[in-house]
Amino acid sequence: ETGVTQSPTHLIKTRGQQVTLRCSSQSGHNTVSWYQQALGQGPQFIFQYYREEENGRGNFPPRFSGLQFPNYSSELNVNALELDDSALYLCASSVRLAGLRTDTQYFGPGTRLTVL
Amino acid sequence: AQSVSQHNHHVILSEAASLELGCNYSYGGTVNLFWYVQYPGQHLQLLLKYFSGDPLVKGIKGFEAEFIKSKFSFNLRKPSVQWSDTAEYFCAVNARSSYKLIFGSGTRLLVRP
Repeated sequence: ETGVTQSPTHLIKTRGQQVTLRCSSQSGHNTVSWYQQALGQGPQFIFQYYREEENGRGNFPPRFSGLQFPNYSSELNVNALELDDSALYLCASSVRLAGLRTDTQYFGPGTRLTVL
Repeated sequence: AQSVSQHNHHVILSEAASLELGCNYSYGGTVNLFWYVQYPGQHLQLLLKYFSGDPLVKGIKGFEAEFIKSKFSFNLRKPSVQWSDTAEYFCAVNARSSYKLIFGSGTRLLVRP
């Protein structure tokens, strides 16, 4: 069983640029969630995708956007990068249950983004 | 708003010592509870989870946690730690009606040989 994979592992960008991060979900999982983990903090929820639609968002501005593809993989896009966007970006996959609930989320290794 | 508090930010123990990491959450409804671990250089891994049933749950590597609903707590325990338990531990809560995990700020555990 293949786990959650993310690419790239590291990325360096400058302020104002745009970035795309990629995630492949674990086999059998249909839901993808994205989290931002700043240094010394716990992960913070960005948004979740199910059936190729965003179905929940945390306290992040619209310049954070995403996509989910028919094979359940996902992208996180961040426009107009700011210095504070420097963080580890984590993708987690899970199985959607009844209503809004999802089963246990399994995390990928993350993408370390540095904004200079 | 939901929140999770982990009271110990840094814990240093000697091998064979007992471990208890505190976790409290604020949410009045039904919740799912998790402990994740992040070993140095590795990704977040599930240690154990509570959805329902027996409030004492056992996870991997000898860890266990007890859900005390009246105290809104889900403390992590291990009777005898090993050097290999050195890692950062995160408590997380998911309201049953919600889609997102709320994480605590983490506890860094250093086990000295």
